[in-house]
Amino acid sequence: TQLLEQSPQFLSIQEGENLTVYCNSSSVFSSLQWYRQEPGEGPVLLVTVVTGGEVKKLKRLTFQFGDARKDSSLHITAAQPGDTGLYLCAGERATDSWGKLQFGAGTQVVVTP
Amino acid sequence: NAGVTQTPKFRVLKTGQSMTLLCAQDMNHEYMYWYRQDPGMGLRLIHYSVGEGTTAKGEVPDGYNVSRLKKQNFLLGLESAAPSQTSVYFCASSDRQGRMSKTQYFGPGTRLLVL
Repeated sequence: TQLLEQSPQFLSIQEGENLTVYCNSSSVFSSLQWYRQEPGEGPVLLVTVVTGGEVKKLKRLTFQFGDARKDSSLHITAAQPGDTGLYLCAGERATDSWGKLQFGAGTQVVVTP
Repeated sequence: NAGVTQTPKFRVLKTGQSMTLLCAQDMNHEYMYWYRQDPGMGLRLIHYSVGEGTTAKGEVPDGYNVSRLKKQNFLLGLESAAPSQTSVYFCASSDRQGRMSKTQYFGPGTRLLVL
């Protein structure tokens, strides 16, 4: 059982549409990160959120950390083919050793022209 | 500045064979990690290190050993490979900031097939 549950597992949309990916847990996290991974490569960090209720924007991507610091969402506006990839959320629990991250299983996003 | 590099990129082993995966980072990071990635399961932590000469078990350590003799290198060993260890292995490194870790930087991965 994953500590962080991501939904949906797979998302296929057309260019210009919006999408939202969710990351949920019953645990509280001191910080939560979102990574994007492209085929044949390692994950690359997109954003870190640390405060409950925090919203961060990265161009067309909007990230939100839940008030209780148990969940997060990633919203992409007007998706482009370059947004295609595996999106992973990862959280650092206050009860874990420093630097340890718990990863979700990922959401595969495919944006077609 | 190469970041995190992994050797080899791809390997095929027979059941029972041994091998070592090498990870090197040139960012002077304190923390290093080994993960495996399997379809539908995300990244699972195998072992990690919070500094030179120290290692600790992660979520799925059985069948693997690690060593961190130098700060820039983190080795992952499989003493007797099993088909269940077929996976993509990622190394990562990070620094720390107070009680929280900074960004984890990942290598390109090693694809391992155990027959």
